Amino acid sequence: TQLLEQSPQFLSIQEGENLTVYCNSSSVFSSLQWYRQEPGEGPVLLVTVVTGGEVKKLKRLTFQFGDARKDSSLHITAAQTGDTGLYLCAGVTTDSWGKLQFGAGTQVVVTP
Amino acid sequence: DTEVTQTPKHLVMGMTNKKSLKCEQHMGHRAMYWYKQKAKKPPELMFVYSYEKLSINESVPSRFSPECPNSSLLNLHLHALQPEDSALYLCASSQVLQPEAFFGQGTRLTVV
Repeated sequence: TQLLEQSPQFLSIQEGENLTVYCNSSSVFSSLQWYRQEPGEGPVLLVTVVTGGEVKKLKRLTFQFGDARKDSSLHITAAQTGDTGLYLCAGVTTDSWGKLQFGAGTQVVVTP
Repeated sequence: DTEVTQTPKHLVMGMTNKKSLKCEQHMGHRAMYWYKQKAKKPPELMFVYSYEKLSINESVPSRFSPECPNSSLLNLHLHALQPEDSALYLCASSQVLQPEAFFGQGTRLTVV
């Protein structure tokens, strides 16, 4: 079973639309990271959230960390075709340093 | 320099071959990781090195043998692999006790 549950598994939208990806767990995380991965490439770190309730914005991307540090969301405003990719949340629980554990990922496809 | 460099990018090997995957980083990170990623799955942790010492082995079969010769290099020696070991092998590095991991582009391994 996956420690981090991501939803949805797949998302197909048109350019200009908004989307939200969710990452949930029953465990408490000391931090959560979001990565984007292109086919055949390694994941690229987008952001780290550390504090419960934290909101971080990177241009059109908004990341939230739940108050209880068990969940996170990624919201993309006015999606572009360059946002296409596999979005992975990952985290380290409070009792397992070094074990960065990944959610199953959300495949996002943005069409023109 | 924020790169993690992996070589080779692609590798095809027979089940009786011995080969090595190489990973290099010059970010001064003292934690380095090997992950295995199968198609349409998230990365799975294999090994963690901290200060050049193996700190986590996620019950990986002995046909995979990691080595960390110095703080910048990480190798993964392969011997007598099976076709089901075909996958994308990812190297990552981070500051010790910091969750943000930086990934290389991966080695696409095919065992025939």
